[in-house]
Amino acid sequence: GESVGLHLPTLSVQEGDNSIINCAYSNSASDYFIWYKQESGKGPQFIIDIRSNMDKRQGQRVTVLLNKTVKHLSLQIAATQPGDSAVYFCAEVPSGTYKYIFGTGTRLKVLA
Amino acid sequence: DVKVTQSSRYLVKRTGEKVFLECVQDMDHENMFWYRQDPGLGLRLIYFSYDVKMKEKGDIPEGYSVSREKKERFSLILESASTNQTSMYLCASRRDGVGYGYTFGSGTRLTVV
Repeated sequence: GESVGLHLPTLSVQEGDNSIINCAYSNSASDYFIWYKQESGKGPQFIIDIRSNMDKRQGQRVTVLLNKTVKHLSLQIAATQPGDSAVYFCAEVPSGTYKYIFGTGTRLKVLA
Repeated sequence: DVKVTQSSRYLVKRTGEKVFLECVQDMDHENMFWYRQDPGLGLRLIYFSYDVKMKEKGDIPEGYSVSREKKERFSLILESASTNQTSMYLCASRRDGVGYGYTFGSGTRLTVV
């Protein structure tokens, strides 16, 4: 929603540059990870996911990297566009559960 | 296009009112969820349902109840609305099994005055 980004860390990037958004996850038993994008006034949208048996997965202009050693997840956006401006947050799913654990998010601001 | 539809985008209710938030999905998903989203706190799970007529408490169920009489519909009920329940409420659904992500609705911004 509109107020989601008010208290979040903000990453500002120039249009055309690459963006890297980071997420530290909490549960070493998590085996599935997802990145979501939430634009102002909208619900979160799925961007990309990765299973714990992978280190890297690529989509269209997006790449997710998983480092299980330090429990770190990152989202890379290539050639960032104004439409990429949104709040991004990660989710981890502990093995055998229905419940996602969501990060609090990072606000990406694309500068023209 | 597959959808999770929340019946209201904005609601204003008075303290003490009983409030119903409705969510419908057209994807035949088994699992449905209700979250609230507050600045600085992220998404917090209120209740979820893994099948019709089944429900489980999430992390913050106090002051809420749910109903799932049909597979496609999951309702969140605020028994007696209070000002600390002012929030963005998000419904989500997912197919059962490993490796399926949530599909979220657009959210309902509830203000309790």
